[in-house]
Amino acid sequence: QKEVEQNSGPLSVPEGAIASLNCTYSDRGSQSFFWYRQYSGKSPELIMSIYSNGDKEDGRFTAQLNKASQYVSLLIRDSQPSDSATYLCAVNTGGFKTIFGAGTRLFVKA
Amino acid sequence: EAQVTQNPRYLITVTGKKLTVTCSQNMNHEYMSWYRQDPGLGLRQIYYSMNVEVTDKGDVPEGYKVSRKEKRNFPLILESPSPNQTSLYFCATWGDTQYFGPGTRLTVL
Repeated sequence: QKEVEQNSGPLSVPEGAIASLNCTYSDRGSQSFFWYRQYSGKSPELIMSIYSNGDKEDGRFTAQLNKASQYVSLLIRDSQPSDSATYLCAVNTGGFKTIFGAGTRLFVKA
Repeated sequence: EAQVTQNPRYLITVTGKKLTVTCSQNMNHEYMSWYRQDPGLGLRQIYYSMNVEVTDKGDVPEGYKVSRKEKRNFPLILESPSPNQTSLYFCATWGDTQYFGPGTRLTVL
């Protein structure tokens, strides 16, 4: 059974701090990795994609991938209360099959 | 405006009564997918489609059917719904990025 694991949280950080969200996956052959943000009662929104080892930065977001450790993370710099949401990690396991983690709830305290 | 629409948005039905949840997109995307979301389980992929008449099973296809007769539409069919199919359902497409529909909250009594 292919799995994607996330700490359910909640992760609470003060405004302006760095929020670090982590995800591990079981399928060593996975090639594509995604982070989604989902506000309560809303649809998921794709915020980052990463395909190769290392860091990928987009604004305040940085995705980090380590395929050897089967680990992907999302860093949110200068966290804002508007970043409070559930963050879903997803892994493409081949073709168009995608496995999602259960999500980590993030609270950013003003 | 790029849009994925789902209908109905809310549905309460009874066990065994066939239903269809429609999904339509206006972006001419080839790839479409259906997910269900349950508390503590995240999103789980039900079916996906790479193009017209090309569909494949995701992680949890049991009890569901799909069809892709036109590029813009990808309906999800529950031929005999059961209470364990009570869930929040999302349709999504992939193009330049991924777009999700607004969700359909289904309750099967």
